[in-house]
Amino acid sequence: LAKTTQPISMDSYEGQEVNITCSHNNIATNDYITWYQQFPSQGPRFIIQGYKTKVKNEVASLFIPADRKSSTLSLPRVSLSDTAVYYCLVGDGYSGAGSYQLTFGKGTKLSVIP
Amino acid sequence: DAGVTQSPTHLIKTRGQQVTLRCSPKSGHDTVSWYQQALGQGPQFIFQYYEEEERQRGNFPDRFSGHQFPNYSSELNVNALLLGDSALYLCASSRRGASTDTQYFGPGTRLTVL
Repeated sequence: LAKTTQPISMDSYEGQEVNITCSHNNIATNDYITWYQQFPSQGPRFIIQGYKTKVKNEVASLFIPADRKSSTLSLPRVSLSDTAVYYCLVGDGYSGAGSYQLTFGKGTKLSVIP
Repeated sequence: DAGVTQSPTHLIKTRGQQVTLRCSPKSGHDTVSWYQQALGQGPQFIFQYYEEEERQRGNFPDRFSGHQFPNYSSELNVNALLLGDSALYLCASSRRGASTDTQYFGPGTRLTVL
């Protein structure tokens, strides 16, 4: 499984756009990029997943350059409730082998300041 | 549509005891994975069940065992508890054969070993 590197922590003021970049230099052809959000003492919550270019949903955007060696999670106009740990993961999508094990790093602790 | 549920929410045991944690997957999901999350760390993969069999296993001793039932629910058993087993235990479910095997997490069970 590809190893990921992301900043340990970030601070942002309310209402700002936050971009968290993740490096995954050894990403494999079949690997998808997935981001999770986790609040203290709760299970991780799926935010967004992508393979290449740009993906957007009602919560966030995910930007993936052509070489796929990094990705950027963009959170528009953050609020205090976005204070959480954000994890970037890479792993196999469906390759006929079915589900894969997720390898979490320590994530990025985002603190939103009023 | 119920998400992933886990029971109990909290549990206190003493060293040497045995514990059983339970998980019901999200509706339509057939694969269950278990993770252990120590304080301040990312979740660590324990094992994954599909079709009532253990399919993948992380770096955990045999004291950790599991089971999956015909209705896809699952149990995690830990024998001979150690102080170091104190953690948040997370269950995640997914649907094998989907275009991407996005895993959805439950709220977790907080296990404290005294």
